[in-house]
Amino acid sequence: AQSVTQPDIHITVSEGASLELRCNYSYGATPYLFWYVQSPGQGLQLLLKYFSGDTLVQGIKGFEAEFKRSQSSFNLRKPSVHWSDAAEYFCAVAVQGAQKLVFGQGTRLTINP
Amino acid sequence: EPEVTQTPSHQVTQMGQEVILRCVPISNHLYFYWYRQILGQKVEFLVSFYNNEISEKSEIFDDQFSVERPDGSNFTLKIRSTKLEDSAMYFCADGQENTDTQYFGPGTRLTVL
Repeated sequence: AQSVTQPDIHITVSEGASLELRCNYSYGATPYLFWYVQSPGQGLQLLLKYFSGDTLVQGIKGFEAEFKRSQSSFNLRKPSVHWSDAAEYFCAVAVQGAQKLVFGQGTRLTINP
Repeated sequence: EPEVTQTPSHQVTQMGQEVILRCVPISNHLYFYWYRQILGQKVEFLVSFYNNEISEKSEIFDDQFSVERPDGSNFTLKIRSTKLEDSAMYFCADGQENTDTQYFGPGTRLTVL
């Protein structure tokens, strides 16, 4: 069965520093890949997605992610974080032909002033 | 920008009672989903719904759960006899095409006492 691993449960970075959140998936073929963000008390907002084509995808709020097939990874990056980026970030996989998203356990991001 | 909406935002119920969680999807979207997130855990798929039928469901979605689209706009999740372990945040999501982007509502927090 497909699975998604986010190795870091909690990350703290300083405002203005760069950020990379890791995501690895386990699936035989290339899945559809997503990053969602959840602010406290809020729902899940889509940051970006990868279906095919260019392996570096740009999303909202200055985020980007790179799909690396050889590493089964889809890491999320941002060159300079803002205090408003503090939230929980979820990586998710959709299997082609299926109708569900499989989520990682999430990474909670804290921003130090 | 159209959004998925959910009501109520918070529902408190006694164990054994029936609850109905409501969702209003984006108007031209045809695929509907329910997910849940137990506090501190990952988001889990419950069920997908298309063309007035369940297309896929998880092991969590047992006989106590049901979904329907009673009036062509609302999409509901019913839990017939709630248990303590049903306490969670329940998210509705929708999409235009199978395995395309899923748009999430803000969630309903269900507390079973």
